[in-house]
Order: sequence, then structure tokens, then C-alpha cells
Amino acid sequence: EVQLVESGGGLVKPGGSLRLSCAASGFTFNLHSMNWVRQAPGKGLEWVSTITSGGRYTYYADSLKGRVTISRDNAQNTLYLQLSGLSVEDTAVYYCARRELADVGDYFDLWGQGTLLTVSS
Amino acid sequence: QSLLTQPPSVSGAPGQRVTISCTGTSSNIGAGYDVHWYQHLPGTAPKLLIYGNNNRPSGVPDRFSGSKSGTSASLVINGLQAEDEADYYCQARDRGLRASVFGGGTKVTVL
Repeated sequence: EVQLVESGGGLVKPGGSLRLSCAASGFTFNLHSMNWVRQAPGKGLEWVSTITSGGRYTYYADSLKGRVTISRDNAQNTLYLQLSGLSVEDTAVYYCARRELADVGDYFDLWGQGTLLTVSS
Repeated sequence: QSLLTQPPSVSGAPGQRVTISCTGTSSNIGAGYDVHWYQHLPGTAPKLLIYGNNNRPSGVPDRFSGSKSGTSASLVINGLQAEDEADYYCQARDRGLRASVFGGGTKVTVL
């Protein structure tokens, strides 16, 4: 079955760090750029980060730049997101999503169910 | 505030047609970037509904359709069904941000 399964969320104190994981299966992981997208409570979707298929290039939303690192292990078919300096504003469900190229731009054709990160003292 | 503007909610009776608008700027939709649409039920994985303005992935019913014109795009649901009650998001790339941006989302309620 083609799927993405996130894990690693939980309750973290402000200023803390956490690493999220996303296990991919059912498709050739190393052929696809991958992304993290988050949704804060009561808010819409927000793109967080992208990593290219081989891991050479990474991109980050300005709101998280300097506090987040995306990485991948193609041998293990796993995507990661390391977050640090967490604040309550980082409380959200974090989704991993597979990227596809459109004629002009790109989109996300496969999503995981998400993992909840709660930042609270 | 999202760079892509959607109405917070739309509603319709079963069988009716509803339209969700997505208004962008000259930096995203107006710059020629394709618009894509997602259906999201809280607690579940978002689902790609329309890609490349008007293309449906395999398995998406043909009562969902998309269009784009100028700096705006629309998602139309024909023959609204109870199972269509969900949140819908548009998405496009933004030239200024050099990143993907989403609309704020529209909640569809089936009356």
C-alpha cells in the first residue's frame, strides 16, 4: 500500500526540541522530493519545508528558518524534521507530503495522517 | 493572513452545486502558477482533489471540477453529497516567497 506514516509528536516545553519522522512505503521514495506541512489548531495548512529526492537541496518557510532542519534517509525510506527553539506557536499537526511537479509549480499528491506536536509549559 | 483568499464557509443542500473561490495575486495565481485543491477531513490525511487547475487524480469523482482565470481559481462540486462535508484548500506556488502557499480553507456544509 502506498502510504506515509508520521510519528514523533508529543508534548514539549517551550524552548525544547523534537524530531518528527515519516515512514514511506509502497513507492520509490528516493525518486520524490518530500515536504512537511503543518496545521495549527483552528488554522489552515502551512508549508514548512521541502527536501529534494537525493537530499542535496532543502527549503524552509521564513517563519521557521533557523529552527528547523529537514533530512531524509533513502535507505530507510524515512523523512525527518528536526525542530528546536519551540514556542507555543509551533503547536500543530505536522503532515509529511510527497511532491509532484505541475506544468507550472508543484503540488502534494500523497499525505500522511499527521502527528500532533503540542508546545506547552 | 493567507496569500490565497477563500471564503470561510459555503453550504448547500444535497444535489446542489457549490463553488469555492480562491483569489490570489500577480505573485502566485496571476503569475501563471497552476492551482491545486485538497479535501481535508479533520483527523485524516488531506487528499489531493484537483491538480494543474482542472485535472482529477484517479478515483476522484467527476462531480469535482476546477478552473482558473486571471488571479483566481474555483472549485465546483456538482451534485453535493453528504460525504463532501469537509474543509477544502487551494494551493499554488508564490514567486515572491519562492514557496508553496495555501488558501485559508473553506468549510463545506451539506444542509
